[in-house]
Amino acid sequence: AQKITQTQPGMFVQEKEAVTLDCTYDTSDQSYGLFWYKQPSSGEMIFLIYQGSYDEQNATEGRYSLNFQKARKSANLVISASQLGDSAMYFCAMRRQYNNNDMRFGAGTRLTVKP
Amino acid sequence: ETGVTQTPRHLVMGMTNKKSLKCEQHLGHNAMYWYKQSAKKPLELMFVYNFKEQTENNSVPSRFSPECPNSSHLFLHLHTLQPEDSALYLCASSQDNGRGDEQFFGPGTRLTVL
Repeated sequence: AQKITQTQPGMFVQEKEAVTLDCTYDTSDQSYGLFWYKQPSSGEMIFLIYQGSYDEQNATEGRYSLNFQKARKSANLVISASQLGDSAMYFCAMRRQYNNNDMRFGAGTRLTVKP
Repeated sequence: ETGVTQTPRHLVMGMTNKKSLKCEQHLGHNAMYWYKQSAKKPLELMFVYNFKEQTENNSVPSRFSPECPNSSHLFLHLHTLQPEDSALYLCASSQDNGRGDEQFFGPGTRLTVL
């Protein structure tokens, strides 16, 4: 069975600094996708970034980058130049590649950006 | 309207009531999902519809009944719920693009069962 672990219930970062949110996963599949979502207090889950297990390069989307270490089964999210609006819950998720029916989420990390 | 919308945003109901949650996606996607988000628990996938056909039911109690009349609309019918069913219910949609079909979520319905 697939499992996602986010070991940081809460994180603090100073505005304009970078922060890394940890995510490790457990799967026996060779082909899978990894996702990061942001959930502000309004409740909506906002897609941030995706990494395929066979992608050779780490994914980047603006200020977001994914530090993918396949051998260690980790997919950490790096947010550069933090902004106050980045304060939210962040969820790591994984599913078997091309399988909509098996999306698993971690417990989440609450990020607080301090001015 | 754009993206994924959900109504109502907040719902309070008694255990004997019958209510329905509505989700509509304006993205042309072919898959829709219901998730439950309880306090202190990871997001749980409840139901999946691909091309209007239910393809997954993750052992959800029968007091939750999904309905997908077309590829743009998804309902969750609720009856005789329990207080532990109080949670945020999120709807999502996706389109298989052959790369990584990220799911787009609605704002959720905050459900309180008294």
